[in-house]
Amino acid sequence: EDKVVQSPLSLVVHEGDTVTLNCSYEVTNFRSLLWYKQEKKAPTFLFMLTSSGIEKKSGRLSSILDKKELFSILNITATQTGDSAVYLCAPFMGGTSYGKLTFGQGTILTVHP
Amino acid sequence: NAGVTQTPKFRILKIGQSMTLQCTQDMNHNYMYWYRQDPGMGLKLIYYSVGAGITDKGEVPNGYNVSRSTTEDFPLRLELAAPSQTSVYFCASEAGVDTQYFGPGTRLTVL
Repeated sequence: EDKVVQSPLSLVVHEGDTVTLNCSYEVTNFRSLLWYKQEKKAPTFLFMLTSSGIEKKSGRLSSILDKKELFSILNITATQTGDSAVYLCAPFMGGTSYGKLTFGQGTILTVHP
Repeated sequence: NAGVTQTPKFRILKIGQSMTLQCTQDMNHNYMYWYRQDPGMGLKLIYYSVGAGITDKGEVPNGYNVSRSTTEDFPLRLELAAPSQTSVYFCASEAGVDTQYFGPGTRLTVL
């Protein structure tokens, strides 16, 4: 059975702190790993990772994938209150399961002023 | 270009009632998906479709049906609503290069 585990489940920090969110996965037909941000509405796409060791960056957010150890991390530097959200990771399947996403339970990030 | 749209935004059903959640995308995407999200949980795949006329079950299909008669529309049908189907329902379409974009969601309560 496909499994995705995110840690920590919740995190409370102050503005300016740096956080690291973890995502480990065990899935068949792995193709890529997606990160989403969800703020009381629909998830919004952050990153898609396909290759190990290549960091993707978008402003203060960055993410990297390790396909050998089956995990990914999402870093947020100089956090702001607007970063408060649930962060979801999801392996994207290929092969006969092409297009299926299996979501982790999410990490709830709370950033205090 | 409206992206992925869903209707209704909210709905309250009584046990045993039926309803259809609508999902439409105007981006000519072949792949479309239905997820449900229970409070404090990640999203679980209900059904998906790789193109008009082709659908397949996801992780939690029981109690639901789908159809895909056109590329644009992918409605989700609940035949006999049960309290366990109280959830937020998201439709998504694949934007290519392994990404999916989500509609705004439908919050359904079954009493």
